[in-house]
Amino acid sequence: GIQVEQSPPDLILQEGANSTLRCNFSDSVNNLQWFHQNPWGQLINLFYIPSGTKQNGRLSATTVATERYSLLYISSSQTTDSGVYFCAVPPAGGTSYGKLTFGQGTILTVHP
Amino acid sequence: EPEVTQTPSHQVTQMGQEVILRCVPISNHLYFYWYRQILGQKVEFLVSFYNNEISEKSEIFDDQFSVERPDGSNFTLKIRSTKLEDSAMYFCASSEALLVRSYEQYFGPGTRLTVT
Repeated sequence: GIQVEQSPPDLILQEGANSTLRCNFSDSVNNLQWFHQNPWGQLINLFYIPSGTKQNGRLSATTVATERYSLLYISSSQTTDSGVYFCAVPPAGGTSYGKLTFGQGTILTVHP
Repeated sequence: EPEVTQTPSHQVTQMGQEVILRCVPISNHLYFYWYRQILGQKVEFLVSFYNNEISEKSEIFDDQFSVERPDGSNFTLKIRSTKLEDSAMYFCASSEALLVRSYEQYFGPGTRLTVT
């Protein structure tokens, strides 16, 4: 099946700093989602971004499907950005009905 | 904004007991999923469900697990005889369209299952 790798595994920032999280995937995809898992364990949808660039406030994401990677940018980080960030993709082909394969996540800690 | 809901938020059960986790997907969605996340690990796919039948299941989804859509709104995951290793966060998700590989999945807040 498709492999998803995220980097870095851990990231520690001071409030106000910017960061870039990366998601590499092993096969072509027509869907990619970014999630934030908050300290209560909830998965919050951040972006649905099969290709191109999207922005939502201080967060933006870019997917370059032809090169099999996606980037999540966090600007002016706040302590509430802390948590785990996951990317997830479905298989591009085959008979799967959209199951998402998740990466291992990037643990982000933002200090005040 | 429509959202996926799950109940209960936390379930504690004894080994060998049956549990039913409940989900209400977004009302116009057609595909439903269960995922689980063991503490500290990544989220793993369990099963997908469409048109009142299982579309796909993972190797984790053995005979101890079953899913059902008992009415027009609820979607349930049953674990018949829980084991310690079933302790995890269970997420329900739903997506809108038939071309599900191209459409966004929306996740519920999760049910934390603790088996003692």
